[in-house]
Amino acid sequence: GAVVSQHPSRVICKSGTSVKIECRSLDFQATTMFWYRQFPKQSLMLMATSNEGSKATYEQGVEKDKFLINHASLTLSTLTVTSAHPEDSSFYICSDRYGVTGGLIDTQYFGPGTRLTVL
Amino acid sequence: GQNIDQPTEMTATEGAIVQINCTYQTSGFNGLFWYQQHAGEAPTFLSYNVLDGLEEKGRFSSFLSRSKGYSYLLLKELQMKDSASYLCAVRDIDYKLSFGAGTTVTVRA
Repeated sequence: GAVVSQHPSRVICKSGTSVKIECRSLDFQATTMFWYRQFPKQSLMLMATSNEGSKATYEQGVEKDKFLINHASLTLSTLTVTSAHPEDSSFYICSDRYGVTGGLIDTQYFGPGTRLTVL
Repeated sequence: GQNIDQPTEMTATEGAIVQINCTYQTSGFNGLFWYQQHAGEAPTFLSYNVLDGLEEKGRFSSFLSRSKGYSYLLLKELQMKDSASYLCAVRDIDYKLSFGAGTTVTVRA
């Protein structure tokens, strides 16, 4: 099945620094990837949809200038948390869609996640 | 948007069966997913339903009724390693997933 990788798995940084998280689709080309965030004891919340070759679309309440998304190739999407603050500490997880619309296989797999801690 | 409800916690004995219900209200339904998530880890895919009926995959089965906005995940022959959070997620026509709060299942010996 499809495999999604993320790097790094953990990041600890000082407040005010920027952090880049990479998400790779290893088994197939993903024109669309999704970025989610999960705070402790809460469920996953969609942050943005990353579209290859075009601008990302952000969910309501997510600052596009703070969370920069680049989807420069069919297998790589990056999320950059700019000027990170302690409230940005969270578990960031990407996912991609594997399958064909209406096909027997049509699912979405998640990467292993990146745990960001901002001091 | 989507309103997704599932129980907060369930406890069962090793070897038993547990059924986790999920109800949803959606503005554009394009599939329902169940994921398993262990503490500190990312969710792993369990099942996908887009048509009404039962999908069986080994010890796990998932059921969907679109007219009722209802799904369940059935876990059979429970094992200790099945202790985890189970997430019900509804996908919309833009392929975005909305998640329920998750059901924490505790399996006891």
